[in-house]
Amino acid sequence: QSVLTQPPSVSGAPGQRVTISCTGSSSNIGAGFDVHWYQQLPGIAPKLLIYDNINRPSGVPDRFSGSKSGTSASLAITGLRAEDEGDYYCQSYDSSLSSVVFGGGTKLTVL
Amino acid sequence: QVQLQESGPGLVKPSETLSLTCTVSGGSIRSYYWSWIRQPPGKGLEWIGYIYYSGSTNYNPSLNSRVTISVDTSRNQFSLKLSSVTAADTAVYYCARRVGLKWFDPWGQGTLVTVSS
Repeated sequence: QSVLTQPPSVSGAPGQRVTISCTGSSSNIGAGFDVHWYQQLPGIAPKLLIYDNINRPSGVPDRFSGSKSGTSASLAITGLRAEDEGDYYCQSYDSSLSSVVFGGGTKLTVL
Repeated sequence: QVQLQESGPGLVKPSETLSLTCTVSGGSIRSYYWSWIRQPPGKGLEWIGYIYYSGSTNYNPSLNSRVTISVDTSRNQFSLKLSSVTAADTAVYYCARRVGLKWFDPWGQGTLVTVSS
């Protein structure tokens, strides 16, 4: 059971928009700790997608965007493409656990 | 740009110590935090711990008693030791740079370590 809760799977057709939620609590996201997102394509190491809730590293398309509110954060992907298929993870810090925490991951399927 | 590469045995016997090294290239290991993260087959990511180039460390409390992370600035490397391993420690082990004690970027390609007799 992950401290940060993500839906196990989401799907969408090419060109559509999908969102992936990351729900935490008052000891992590709700305490003000920032959320970061990673994309893990099949068989490859995770790659930073969004940092500090809303920022994209250089090279990440603006089809990817992040937001944060209260005890939750979200990753939105617009203009879905087949190459977006993979797993997406949120990450933050938990003060009760004194530990970096990851969400359980969400598998994105492009129909 | 900075690149990371994990190395070490792919097979470790139960109760023994897992040892991995991460070599940093394209930049200095100084002035950053360096982490180990693992991913059991078909499962999610678990943070193991980090080390600052000066040698200060912080470990996941759930693994704290078995983990040691060290750094060798002269070789631009940092290492992981995980003692008393069991089958539950079978995973792909990644090394990564932790930026500003926040996010992880970049990551190494990962190395699969299997615990089996």
